[in-house]
Amino acid sequence: GDSVTQMEGPVTLSEEAFLTINCTYTATGYPSLFWYVQYPGEGLQLLLKATKADDKGSNKGFEATYRKETTSFHLEKGSVQVSDSAVYFCALRGAGANSKLTFGKGITLSVRP
Amino acid sequence: NAGVMQNPRHLVRRRGQEARLRCSPMKGHSHVYWYRQLPEEGLKFMVYLQKENIIDESGMPKERFSAEFPKEGPSILRIQQVVRGDSAAYFCASSPPQGMQFFGPGTRLTVL
Repeated sequence: GDSVTQMEGPVTLSEEAFLTINCTYTATGYPSLFWYVQYPGEGLQLLLKATKADDKGSNKGFEATYRKETTSFHLEKGSVQVSDSAVYFCALRGAGANSKLTFGKGITLSVRP
Repeated sequence: NAGVMQNPRHLVRRRGQEARLRCSPMKGHSHVYWYRQLPEEGLKFMVYLQKENIIDESGMPKERFSAEFPKEGPSILRIQQVVRGDSAAYFCASSPPQGMQFFGPGTRLTVL
């Protein structure tokens, strides 16, 4: 079945540091890939997405590129802020626009001033 | 345009009681998904419903759990005879046909 693997956390960075959060996936066919963010006590918000190979999703300074050859969708940001502190989830959606989402375990990011 | 609404936000039950979680989808959304987030884990799919139909319940425990999405009113996730292991955050998402899923704020269930 489909699966998503995220790097182990938590991650603590200083403000303005570079961020990379690794995500790899296993899926049949051509899934769509997503990054969701969860702030404390809140639900999930879509951060960015990519629907086909080599697509780059971007939002709020975050970027991720759909790499079919390495089955990866790593999240990057050039300069993190304290307000980026949250839990980040990588997810995939299988073939079919109404398919369920399969999530990674999530990683907690803490950014120090 | 209000987002996905879930209530209650926090629910405390004693072992053996019933828990009812409600989800009102966004306006115009006819598809509802339920996910469970156990402590220190990612979200796990439970069930996918359209109005009056269960489309995919492959993630639902076979016993004590049920879900419905009636023609009128919110979607309900019902857990009978709760146990401590049911303590989790339960998230609902809704989507239009062929569209993105938008998540609600979740219901945090605590079983004493």
